[in-house]
Amino acid sequence: EVQLLESGGGLIQPGGSLRLSCTASGFTFSNYAMSWVRQAPGKGLEWVSAIRGGPGNTYYADSVRGRFTISRDNSKNTLHLQMNGLRVEDTAIYYCAKDQLAFCSGVSCTQVFEIWGQGTLVTVSS
Amino acid sequence: DIQMTQSPSAMSASIGDRVTITCRASQGIRNYLAWFQQKPGKGPKRLIYGASGLQSGVPSRFSGSGSGTDFTLTITSLQPEDFATYYCLQHDSYPYTFGQGTKLEIK
Repeated sequence: EVQLLESGGGLIQPGGSLRLSCTASGFTFSNYAMSWVRQAPGKGLEWVSAIRGGPGNTYYADSVRGRFTISRDNSKNTLHLQMNGLRVEDTAIYYCAKDQLAFCSGVSCTQVFEIWGQGTLVTVSS
Repeated sequence: DIQMTQSPSAMSASIGDRVTITCRASQGIRNYLAWFQQKPGKGPKRLIYGASGLQSGVPSRFSGSGSGTDFTLTITSLQPEDFATYYCLQHDSYPYTFGQGTKLEIK
């Protein structure tokens, strides 16, 4: 069964740091891009960051660029999101999601975000 | 960056109604558009991929259409379990962007 399991959320003061992890199972993790998506309380979904399979290029939303760093450990099937300089507005549930197959073609390029983790809550408050 | 404009932001409908939700991209995104359903306290669930592909296990009353910049999610014959919030997502290029969401409520 394909699964994603996040961990690492919690309560942190403004300016603090937190590292989220997402452990994958049931698919060849190294072959897929992975994304982080967040949802602030009562708000919509916001794409945060992605890292490609294969070359491992990274991408960020403007709201987190320079503060958050995405990385992956293919030997442990694990995705990370290092969050520094946290702000109150970063308070949200953070989800990891299975993104696009590396070097995809045709229909396989549309198979994104079918699998999501259960989410981990990050609360930034003093 | 590609902007996604989703409408309406909220709507009310009755059981058995047909509803349509639209997303417009600020530039062409081919068919790299997915639709999601989210219920309170739950994570998003993918309904449609590639603009018109029906996710396995999703009832056939859900359908998607469009290509380029204009996309539509249609639900025919609304059922009680369909009252939820719906989002579109463009994944043509990073940064990916979601629509603002459509909250579908019971009339």
